[in-house]
Amino acid sequence: NAGVMQNPRHLVRRRGQEARLRCSPMKGHSHVYWYRQLPEEGLKFMVYLQKENIIDESGMPKERFSAEFPKEGPSILRIQQVVRGDSAAYFCASSRSTGSDEKLFFGSGTQLSVL
Amino acid sequence: KNQVEQSPQSLIILEGKNCTLQCNYTVSPFSNLRWYKQDTGRGPVSLTIMTFSENTKSNGRYTATLDADTKQSSLHITASQLSDSASYICVVSSNSGNTPLVFGKGTRLSVIA
Repeated sequence: NAGVMQNPRHLVRRRGQEARLRCSPMKGHSHVYWYRQLPEEGLKFMVYLQKENIIDESGMPKERFSAEFPKEGPSILRIQQVVRGDSAAYFCASSRSTGSDEKLFFGSGTQLSVL
Repeated sequence: KNQVEQSPQSLIILEGKNCTLQCNYTVSPFSNLRWYKQDTGRGPVSLTIMTFSENTKSNGRYTATLDADTKQSSLHITASQLSDSASYICVVSSNSGNTPLVFGKGTRLSVIA
């Protein structure tokens, strides 16, 4: 019963390149959340997806960032034309449903470094 | 504005000692409060979830308390171990909106021998 799987664990990109971060939720979970964490900061919500649908993207920058959760395969967080300020740890979490008491399970994160 | 404030920002204690971490929140409407443990380089792991009606909840050596009137919570760690060294994050859930979780910045706990 694997937990939330994220890859890669570490990703290095040069300014202007694209970054693709992948997240496979726990088995049976159809709700995926992406968070960003800067050093010494709390997790900041970016986007919430349910299979094939974006439910809430209010925390995601309007430009360069996009997310998807296709019917088959992992959720993808895509950052185009990366800048140094995009360097952060990106965490994915999944849940079985959206009940307010529903437990979230987090992946180990992807550390993005932009040179 | 919905906010979660944690104190202290960091804490160093000797192995075997107890400690208490604090969390104040202004999230409304309130649904539940969660404490997570985040080891360096890992994702957060849930310790406790407390609803409005619960005053205290334990998980092994971790005991969380909640005062919904004063909007305060604490996490007490008993007989600390070196493996308790981590960031402890307070997260408050609102029952409005699609994405109701508000995260605190965490308290960085270091347990030393």
